[in-house]
Amino acid sequence: GAVVSQHPSRVICKSGTSVKIECRSLDFQATTMFWYRQFPKKSLMLMATSNEGSKATYEQGVEKDKFLINHASLTLSTLTVTSAHPEDSSFYICSASSSFRGSEYREQFFGPGTRLTVL
Amino acid sequence: GQNIDQPTEMTATEGAIVQINCTYQTSGFNGLFWYQQHAGEAPTFLSYNVLDGLEEKGRFSSFLSRSKGYSYLLLKELQMKDSASYLCAVEGDSNYQLIWGAGTKLIIKP
Repeated sequence: GAVVSQHPSRVICKSGTSVKIECRSLDFQATTMFWYRQFPKKSLMLMATSNEGSKATYEQGVEKDKFLINHASLTLSTLTVTSAHPEDSSFYICSASSSFRGSEYREQFFGPGTRLTVL
Repeated sequence: GQNIDQPTEMTATEGAIVQINCTYQTSGFNGLFWYQQHAGEAPTFLSYNVLDGLEEKGRFSSFLSRSKGYSYLLLKELQMKDSASYLCAVEGDSNYQLIWGAGTKLIIKP
């Protein structure tokens, strides 16, 4: 299957700082990337959908000025958590999907996730 | 509204068979996915159903009934490594977006 990487895998930062998380599709072009947040014992919560070259579409309740998403190329999307606070501590997962793969279904390929801890 | 229901937790014995059910009510349906997620890791794809019926893939099978808004994941010959959360997700109306269930934590006992 296709490979999606995330960097960093873990990050600890001080409250008030900004953190950037990268999501890369390594062997395919991802026309659409998704950013999820997962709380312990809860399902994945979709934060936003980004299509290459256009602005991200944020889910209701997600602050777009706090969670900045950039999908500048077909292989890279970034999520920047601005002015992070302890309540932003979570597991952030990206996924990528492509309409070019010609597969019979639009599978999402997940990155390994980034564990963010805000002190 | 959109809703996906799964049991919170199930326990089974190594070598046995377990069925994890998923019911959904969504606006639109373009397919149903099952993912496996080990603690602290991202989900991994298990199966995809868009037509009614049973899809078999090794020890794992997935069933779909669109008229009933129902799916199940069947795991055979359970192994200790199958201890994980199993997430049911439906692709609804929106472009590629998945609606996720809360996941079923499966505990395998020797």
